[in-house]
Amino acid sequence: SQQGEEDPQALSIQEGENATMNCSYKTSINNLQWYRQNSGRGLVHLILIRSNEREKHSGRLRVTLDTSKKSSSLLITASRAADTASYFCATARGNNRLAFGKGNQVVVIP
Amino acid sequence: NAGVMQNPRHLVRRRGQEARLRCSPMKGHSHVYWYRQLPEEGLKFMVYLQKENIIDESGMPKERFSAEFPKEGPSILRIQQVVRGDSAAYFCASSQNGGQGNTGELFFGEGSRLTVL
Repeated sequence: SQQGEEDPQALSIQEGENATMNCSYKTSINNLQWYRQNSGRGLVHLILIRSNEREKHSGRLRVTLDTSKKSSSLLITASRAADTASYFCATARGNNRLAFGKGNQVVVIP
Repeated sequence: NAGVMQNPRHLVRRRGQEARLRCSPMKGHSHVYWYRQLPEEGLKFMVYLQKENIIDESGMPKERFSAEFPKEGPSILRIQQVVRGDSAAYFCASSQNGGQGNTGELFFGEGSRLTVL
């Protein structure tokens, strides 16, 4: 199956709460990336974590990578209504492409 | 610095017609990727091109689909004799450094939404 598969969930949270979503993959990777997609728009890169890194921060985003479990998580802290979007993880395996999961839809209620 | 430009944003075709989707990468980017997205699905890789070269087309259907990235001008994804199952959003992405072991950040266009009647 496709590399990079998020837990198939739709999150609905209140503004100010944290949102966590997970991603698992099956083979070794060079890096893992998270993207956001607003409805009807293109994907926007959020953060990249390399296979030799365990945790990375960018603003309100925190990404972890556990290569032994072949999984990653994306945490959005203090969520805002503008964070409402679909979030995709994607894995790079050195074969000229990123493989995307099916995405998690996050709805932040003001 | 303009981002990745795709056109048309929306395209309606009848079965059997041809669809041509265009993509201009970000300035300075020479690596172009095409992905297809079905409703409520993730992105499926189709093809990876550099100027005048198709590097990886393993995600392209064997028939009716072709892609090019000429020396001058945008990358083109061409779908001949479209069928209803071709209805999808087609995204182009570009990068400064391509494949060869460590695909980095991709910059996406807004997509071209093809509807086949």
